[in-house]
Amino acid sequence: NAGVTQTPKFRVLKTGQSMTLLCAQDMNHEYMYWYRQDPGMGLRLIHYSVGEGTTAKGEVPDGYNVSRLKKQNFLLGLESAAPSQTSVYFCASSYGTSGMGEQFFGPGTRLTVL
Amino acid sequence: AQSVTQLDSQVPVFEEAPVELRCNYSSSVSVYLFWYVQYPNQGLQLLLKYLSGSTLVESINGFEAEFNKSQTSFHLRKPSVHISDTAEYFCAVSDDTGGFKTIFGAGTRLFVKA
Repeated sequence: NAGVTQTPKFRVLKTGQSMTLLCAQDMNHEYMYWYRQDPGMGLRLIHYSVGEGTTAKGEVPDGYNVSRLKKQNFLLGLESAAPSQTSVYFCASSYGTSGMGEQFFGPGTRLTVL
Repeated sequence: AQSVTQLDSQVPVFEEAPVELRCNYSSSVSVYLFWYVQYPNQGLQLLLKYLSGSTLVESINGFEAEFNKSQTSFHLRKPSVHISDTAEYFCAVSDDTGGFKTIFGAGTRLFVKA
């Protein structure tokens, strides 16, 4: 099992450019999440999905969009990148149908917006 | 609303010394508590968790944490640390409400010195 994979690993964008981050999991998990990690702020939830075809906003959703067309994939889009979106982005998934579920994380995508 | 406070942003310690990483949470309902570890340039991985039952939980590599409901704490301890324990540690809380989201603390960077 590959677990949770993310592509790309690194990316540099100019302000105003767009990009899509891809997350894939092979554990048949229902729940998937996108977080951003910034120094001293821990992980903040951007968007999440409780199943194929469903998405919901997290703590910091502005400037991002997501899609979950297939159960195993969760895409995070930046339509017009801003320097404030410079961060490390982590995707995670969980099998739990309750708060007890452990989250499994991908290796992260380091994004720099100039 | 839930929140998690990790009281120390950095903890330097010498090899073979004991360490305690502090975590306090706030919640109005019963909670599940987690410690995740992040090694350099990697995603987070679960270290240990408290769901119910015994308030003392242990990991396979010698860490332990104790759930203290009256003090709303879930401190992480290890009696003797190794260089390889150098990492960032995140405390997290979830429950069975609110879409099963997990709230992460800001993280504590443990630096083990030889």
